[in-house]
Amino acid sequence: DVKVTQSSRYLVKRTGEKVFLECVQDMDHENMFWYRQDPGLGLRLIYFSYDVKMKEKGDIPEGYSVSREKKERFSLILESASTNQTSMYLCASRTGNTEAFFGQGTRLTVV
Amino acid sequence: AQTVTQSQPEMSVQEAETVTLSCTYDTSESDYYLFWYKQPPSRQMILVIRQEAYKQQNATENRFSVNFQKAAKSFSLKISDSQLGDAAMYFCAYRRRGQGAQKLVFGQGTRLTINP
Repeated sequence: DVKVTQSSRYLVKRTGEKVFLECVQDMDHENMFWYRQDPGLGLRLIYFSYDVKMKEKGDIPEGYSVSREKKERFSLILESASTNQTSMYLCASRTGNTEAFFGQGTRLTVV
Repeated sequence: AQTVTQSQPEMSVQEAETVTLSCTYDTSESDYYLFWYKQPPSRQMILVIRQEAYKQQNATENRFSVNFQKAAKSFSLKISDSQLGDAAMYFCAYRRRGQGAQKLVFGQGTRLTINP
């Protein structure tokens, strides 16, 4: 079975902190995605990557950056966390025309 | 840009009854996929059903079936014989078919409650 693992289920950070959300997949998928989930808005794409060191902006990249140094790992970085970044973050991976597989989500609270 | 709209924020149904969740989408593409994902309280997104746009036949998976109307850009999910375990957020999603990292575009979600 494909497994997508996010490093934390819950995270509480202070305003202005640099925050790293980690995602690891074990099926050699070339495509990885970071989504943000908010009530009433569904899932919105922040960034995605189609290969090591390659990245593209999604629909809401402001305030975020990403890193993909190894194929299996895709990190989302909040350079200076703000309260409006309090949300659920979901990582996903996919190859070819297969379905996307999701991690269990990280609920981030910025105080 | 592609958009997906779910106009029912919440739905409820009696156990063992049938419920239909609505989804409409907008795209200028002709070749794409449509999906329904389920997100239970555990937060794990689970693929419920997938439809290829080039297939006229509606997809079915056990108690789950879709009504895919390509011209109307409508993609509803029917759950038959509802069970307590069906309670979850349901998301409709669209993805263009093709090479590369085609992204999933999601609707706003519908929260489904099953009444015992």
